Amino acid sequence: AQSVTQLDSQVPVFEEAPVELRCNYSSSVSVYLFWYVQYPNQGLQLLLKYLSGSTLVKGINGFEAEFNKSQTSFHLRKPSVHISDTAEYFCAVSDRYNQGGKLIFGQGTELSVKP
Amino acid sequence: DTGVSQDPRHKITKRGQNVTFRCDPISEHNRLYWYRQTLGQGPEFLTYFQNEAQLEKSRLLSDRFSAERPKGSFSTLEIQRTEQGDSAMYLCASSFRGSEQYFGPGTRLTVT
Repeated sequence: AQSVTQLDSQVPVFEEAPVELRCNYSSSVSVYLFWYVQYPNQGLQLLLKYLSGSTLVKGINGFEAEFNKSQTSFHLRKPSVHISDTAEYFCAVSDRYNQGGKLIFGQGTELSVKP
Repeated sequence: DTGVSQDPRHKITKRGQNVTFRCDPISEHNRLYWYRQTLGQGPEFLTYFQNEAQLEKSRLLSDRFSAERPKGSFSTLEIQRTEQGDSAMYLCASSFRGSEQYFGPGTRLTVT
């Protein structure tokens, strides 16, 4: 079985400050890792994904994440946030051996960027 | 726009009524997924199809829920005898041969 824990339910931050959204996962098998963003009353948009290779993954809108296998973590970072980054962020995993199968999501982290 | 579309966007129904939602995936995508998202939670997997075949169903998908994808294109999700606990956002996603999942805007169901 797989599970995802997002360690912070809410993260308030001032504009242009750096931010880190934390994600830990548990799985008995190898996984793929994803970060999605959800704006109010909208569906989810993929920010970035880790499938293999370099453990530092760059995504859209200036976000990046680092896969740490020993700590089973996949934290999301941005060096300087904008007001427009205010949204809900979800970390997710899928089974590497069932490519294209279901995603298991964390509970979400609400990022609130203040001027 | 050729993204994933869902209809309706909002549905209010009385307890005990049946409701049906529709999802139209991106045209060349062979996999289609349904998720449910309650307030303040992440999406939870319900079921997914590869073409017409329903490959996996979650234990969340009780006997009152049924999903179909009859011609391998659009899909419907029906909830019979709705309960207040069914109130949620129902999200549809599609993918091509197991690549990343693209999500639709969701259908928000309110059961009164």
